Amino acid sequence: KNEVEQSPQNLTAQEGEFITINCSYSVGISALHWLQQHPGGGIVSLFMLSSGKKKHGRLIATINIQEKHSSLHITASHPRDSAVYICAVLNEKLTFGTGTRLTIIP
Amino acid sequence: EPEVTQTPSHQVTQMGQEVILRCVPISNHLYFYWYRQILGQKVEFLVSFYNNEISEKSEIFDDQFSVERPDGSNFTLKIRSTKLEDSAMYFCASSDAGNEIHGYTFGSGTRLTVV
Repeated sequence: KNEVEQSPQNLTAQEGEFITINCSYSVGISALHWLQQHPGGGIVSLFMLSSGKKKHGRLIATINIQEKHSSLHITASHPRDSAVYICAVLNEKLTFGTGTRLTIIP
Repeated sequence: EPEVTQTPSHQVTQMGQEVILRCVPISNHLYFYWYRQILGQKVEFLVSFYNNEISEKSEIFDDQFSVERPDGSNFTLKIRSTKLEDSAMYFCASSDAGNEIHGYTFGSGTRLTVV
C-alpha cells in the first residue's frame, strides 16, 4: 500500500512570496501528479511527471525518484493561487495525498 | 481543450434511493475511473474500467456500486441503495493509456448528498 504524505497541511503566505509544497510517498511509482482543487471542488491536473522537473508559467514541479519525494513551487504567488494542492502517485492506481490548503493574502 | 463532463453537478437523494451519476469522458480515451471525496477527506479510488469491463476496484466499491458504459460516450456510476455515508463528491476521470505515462483528465465532480 502506497502512503502519500504532504506538507504542510495548511500554508498562508503574502502575495508575491515563493511557495513550496512537498510530497513524499512510500513505494515505487510510475508517475506523480500535482492537482489543484478550488473551493467549488473541481480538480484540475497541473503536472504529471516521472523524473526531473517540469515548468508551466509560475508553477514548477520536481521529483526525485530515489528519494521518493516531489515538490511543487509557485513563484510570485497571487491570491488566485489560493486552492488545495493535491499530490497523487500512480502505481497500479492513483493514490492521493490529503492535500495542502494554500491561502495567498493580498 | 477536451473536457470530461459530469452531470448532474449536484444531486440530493433520499436514503435507500438509487442514483446514477453520469460522465462523458474524452472521446479518444480508453481508460475510465471513478473517485470519491468525502467532505474534508482525501480523494479515494473507487474503480477503473477498460475494454468494457472493470479492471480494478477498491474495497469501497461493494455490491451497491456498479459502472456501465451504455453507449460510445457515457460512463455511469450507479449506487443501488444509497446510504448517508455515500454523501461525497464523486469525480470521473479518463486517460488514454492507463498506467503508462500519460495524463488523467478529471471532471468537475458531482456532489451527492444523501438525506
